[in-house]
Amino acid sequence: GNSVTQMEGPVTLSEEAFLTINCTYTATGYPSLFWYVQYPGEGLQLLLKATKADDKGSNKGFEATYRKETTSFHLEKGSVQVSDSAVYFCALHRRAAGSARQLTFGSGTQLTVLP
Amino acid sequence: ETGVTQSPTHLIKTRGQQVTLRCSSQSGHNTVSWYQQALGQGPQFIFQYYREEENGRGNFPPRFSGLQFPNYSSELNVNALELDDSALYLCASSPGATQGGTEAFFGQGTRLTVV
Repeated sequence: GNSVTQMEGPVTLSEEAFLTINCTYTATGYPSLFWYVQYPGEGLQLLLKATKADDKGSNKGFEATYRKETTSFHLEKGSVQVSDSAVYFCALHRRAAGSARQLTFGSGTQLTVLP
Repeated sequence: ETGVTQSPTHLIKTRGQQVTLRCSSQSGHNTVSWYQQALGQGPQFIFQYYREEENGRGNFPPRFSGLQFPNYSSELNVNALELDDSALYLCASSPGATQGGTEAFFGQGTRLTVV
């Protein structure tokens, strides 16, 4: 079945540090890949997505590249801010005609950015 | 356009009771999915409704059931509540059940506590 493995947290960084959160996946077919962010007490917000191999998703300074050869979708940001403190979830959706739109999530990585 | 709204935001129930959670989908979206997010975990897919019919289900027992109404709003019902049902329940809406890669929009969630 489909699965997503995420880098264990929590991750604590100083402001302006470089961020990498690793994500690898297992899936049949050609899944779409997503990063969602969850701020304290809130639901999930889509951060970025990629729908095919070698696509790069980007938003708010965050980037992730769909690497089919390594089945990875690592999240990166060159300079984090205190406001980036949140829980980050990697997720996949496998495209198949007639299937339910089911997202499979990783376990989440808590990021704390210190001033 | 209005976003996904869920009610109530918080709920406390006693073991063995029944609960109904509600979700209004984003305008123009005909597909609603429900997820359970236990503390410190990623969301787990419960089921999805498309045009008032269930079209996919995760690994949850039959005491988890749902409905979708003609206006595409949805309910999640849980019978015979157990302590392990304590979690954040998230509703997500999307434009169509078979369009892979199209993002799902999440509500703020309902925090259910079973005592």
